[in-house]
Amino acid sequence: GDSVTQMEGPVTLSEEAFLTINCTYTATGYPSLFWYVQYPGEGLQLLLKATKADDKGSNKGFEATYRKETTSFHLEKGSVQVSDSAVYFCALSDLGKGRRALTFGSGTRLQVQP
Amino acid sequence: EAQVTQNPRYLITVTGKKLTVTCSQNMNHEYMSWYRQDPGLGLRQIYYSMNVEVTDKGDVPEGYKVSRKEKRNFPLILESPSPNQTSLYFCASKYYREDTEAFFGQGTRLTVV
Repeated sequence: GDSVTQMEGPVTLSEEAFLTINCTYTATGYPSLFWYVQYPGEGLQLLLKATKADDKGSNKGFEATYRKETTSFHLEKGSVQVSDSAVYFCALSDLGKGRRALTFGSGTRLQVQP
Repeated sequence: EAQVTQNPRYLITVTGKKLTVTCSQNMNHEYMSWYRQDPGLGLRQIYYSMNVEVTDKGDVPEGYKVSRKEKRNFPLILESPSPNQTSLYFCASKYYREDTEAFFGQGTRLTVV
């Protein structure tokens, strides 16, 4: 079945550091890929998405490129801020018989220190 | 405003006392799902529904029931709660299309004593 693997956290960075959170996936079909963010005490919200190979999703300075050849969707940001401290989830959406439509990774906690 | 509404937000209950957590969405989404979130374990799917009267088990369905009698509602039922069901629960909904995002409720923090 479908699966998503993320790097384990927590990831601790200083403000203005470069961020990479790795995400790889396994899917039967041709999924869409997503990054969701969960700020403390809140539900998940969409950060960015990419719906086909080589697409780049971007939002709030975050970027991720859908790499079909490496089955990856790594999240990057050039300069993190304290306000980026949150838990980040990689996810895929893959429809079809027997598929769950939405599969999440285990989440990666990011802590940004001033 | 597009939203997923869960109730209650917080609940403390005793072992064995049946409870229901409600989830309602106003976006006419076909797909709805329940997750539990525990420290170190990420999000684990409990049940999901691809449309009215269509439900299926996720990764951790034991001890839970769901129903989907109407498109907008997807309640989570704990017939006989136990302390190991103490967790943070999220409901989500989306269109049944691959390229659309999921919308999440604010979460229900359940404590079973």
